[in-house]
Amino acid sequence: QVRLQQWGAGLLKPSETLSLTCDVYGGSFSYYYWSWLRQSPGKGLEWIGEITETGSTKYTPSLKSRVTISIESSKNQFSLRLRSVTAADTAVYYCARGRTTSGTVAPFDFWGQGTLVTVSS
Amino acid sequence: DIQMTQSPSSLSTYVGDRVTISCRASQVISHYLAWYQQRPGEPPNLLIYAASTVHSGVPSRFSGSGSGTDFTLTISSLHPEDVATYYCQNYNSAPWAFGQGTKVEI
Repeated sequence: QVRLQQWGAGLLKPSETLSLTCDVYGGSFSYYYWSWLRQSPGKGLEWIGEITETGSTKYTPSLKSRVTISIESSKNQFSLRLRSVTAADTAVYYCARGRTTSGTVAPFDFWGQGTLVTVSS
Repeated sequence: DIQMTQSPSSLSTYVGDRVTISCRASQVISHYLAWYQQRPGEPPNLLIYAASTVHSGVPSRFSGSGSGTDFTLTISSLHPEDVATYYCQNYNSAPWAFGQGTKVEI
């Protein structure tokens, strides 16, 4: 069974950098795109970006200038960095497994437990 | 970018009732539509993919239909544990967009 375990700092000041990591247990790490998403309090779900084992990335346009997703294949681990955070970046952040690298599109079938990140001075 | 619009935004009904939630895509997405259930404090849980395929382990009272731009999630007989927010998602093309959610209450 596939399990995603995420971790990282939950309280940031404005202008700091958000940093989260997701460990993947079980299944094939190389066959999928691995994504980060977020959910602001009382709001819906927003996809942030995705990465493959080879480091190929895609980001949502509205966050592209501030986001970096990286991968550590030897550890079955991928990470999110979001620079220059503001209160608007306060949200629950999730990691998730998405489409396959063979070109088959797919929904997000496995999710991390979520991390509440609060940005406050 | 594709926008996803759900209706209604919330509904209140009774145990045993049939529940229908609609989702509309701003462009044709074929059948690349997923539905998720999210209970408070939990991550979303995949219910339906390819518009009508029930994900492994999901009760048979959940079903999906539609193609192109208009889709529907149906709960044939509402159970107390179905109280949650339901989201549709386009996975035809990035950025992968979600609807704003439908909150189901009893």
